[in-house]
Amino acid sequence: EVQLLESGGDLVQPGGSLRLSCAASGFTFSSYAMTWVRQAPAKGLEWVSVISGSGVTTYYGDSVKGRFTISRDNSKNTLYLQMSSLRVEDTAVYYCATRSTPTGPRCLDYWGQGILVTVSS
Amino acid sequence: EIVMTQSPATLSVSPGERATLSCRASQSVSSNLAWYQQKPGQAPRLLIYGASTRATGIPARFSGSGSGTEFTLTISSLQSEDFAVYSCQQYNGWPHTFGQGTKLEIK
Repeated sequence: EVQLLESGGDLVQPGGSLRLSCAASGFTFSSYAMTWVRQAPAKGLEWVSVISGSGVTTYYGDSVKGRFTISRDNSKNTLYLQMSSLRVEDTAVYYCATRSTPTGPRCLDYWGQGILVTVSS
Repeated sequence: EIVMTQSPATLSVSPGERATLSCRASQSVSSNLAWYQQKPGQAPRLLIYGASTRATGIPARFSGSGSGTEFTLTISSLQSEDFAVYSCQQYNGWPHTFGQGTKLEIK
C-alpha cells in the first residue's frame, strides 16, 4: 500500500524558512517523480514543484521559483521542500503526491494527508 | 504558464440529477487533463485522467470528455457522497496548473 506522510509544518514569521518532509512507503520511491501541491485556506489547489525520480530534474511554479527548493533522498525514501523567504501568502496545507506508474500519465494518483504551514507575525 | 479556468464556481444540483462541470485551458493541453474530487479535510482524489479515463475504483456515473482547450466532467446521477469540490489539472506543460475548483452543492 502506497503511503505518503508529510511532516515539518509549523508557524513561521514572514521572511523565515522551513523544511517540509514527505516519507514514502509501499512503492519503489526512486522510480517515481514526486510533486508538492498546496492549498491556501478556502482556496483551490496550487501546483508547487516536481522532482524526477533521480533528483536531477526539477520544476517550480512561478509563485515559489527562487524561494523554494525541492529535493529527495532516495536512500531514505523521503521527499523535501525547503522553503525560504516565506510570505503570508505561502500559508497553506502542503501535500506531497505521486502517480501510480513511473512512466504513465503525469496526474496524481496518491496523496499524503497534508501538513499545515502558517506564515504570520 | 497555462491558465485553467473552471465554471461555474458553485453548482447547485439535486440528488439524482445530472451535474456538468466545465474546465477551459488558455492553450491546448491535448488530452492531458485530470479531474480531482476533494471533500472537506481530505486530500484530493483522482477521478479522471487523459480527459476521459476513469481512475481505479471510480464509479461509472463519472465521465469526462473534451480535448484541446475545452473539457467537461459529468456526473450522471448525483449521490449524496458526490457533493464536494472538483478541480481540473493540466499535465501537458510545466507547471502542471490546476483550475480554481467548482463546488458542487446540494440544491
